[in-house]
Amino acid sequence: TQLLEQSPQFLSIQEGENLTVYCNSSSVFSSLQWYRQEPGEGPVLLVTVVTGGEVKKLKRLTFQFGDARKDSSLHITAAQPGDTGLYLCAGVGSNSGYALNFGKGTSLLVTP
Amino acid sequence: DSGVTQTPKHLITATGQRVTLRCSPRSGDLSVYWYQQSLDQGLQFLIQYYNGEERAKGNILERFSAQQFPDLHSELNLSSLELGDSALYFCASSNPTSGANTGELFFGEGSRLTVL
Repeated sequence: TQLLEQSPQFLSIQEGENLTVYCNSSSVFSSLQWYRQEPGEGPVLLVTVVTGGEVKKLKRLTFQFGDARKDSSLHITAAQPGDTGLYLCAGVGSNSGYALNFGKGTSLLVTP
Repeated sequence: DSGVTQTPKHLITATGQRVTLRCSPRSGDLSVYWYQQSLDQGLQFLIQYYNGEERAKGNILERFSAQQFPDLHSELNLSSLELGDSALYFCASSNPTSGANTGELFFGEGSRLTVL
């Protein structure tokens, strides 16, 4: 199984702070996706990174794919309470056909 | 709204029982995926169907089975239920070319199963 390890598991910060969460694996992925899941809902795709070293920005969110395509990071600038949620990284696993394997996620709480 | 519909939203049942979870994918999506989410295991891939055919299997127990019907809706059957089967069960759909998942998964809101 191609494991995706996410850290930290939990993060509680105040509005306006910056944060970075990480997604690491010993396996190489052709692409990685980041999803956000809010309570009572299913995960929603934020971004897909494909090229090693790639950086993508989505408003205050910056996603980076590692040069070796084994890891990724998500940086949030000036976090808002609306950023609260579970952030999941996912990659296509060679052991599961073409289905996505997910990390366990980073649970983020941003308080006003 | 992702366009993926799951029923029921909540289900409470007893150990040893059998339940069926239903999923209607987004219009036009050929692939359906089932995932189980629990606090300790995270989001675990169970099984994938593409246009009625089983495409990939993950950590699905032998007590669980699934199928995708000609109208592309899918059902996940869970039998001989145990306390540990209590979890959120998500269905997701996509419309990848030739069945390869290179794109986005669209998730339903999930079915919360509680086994007492």
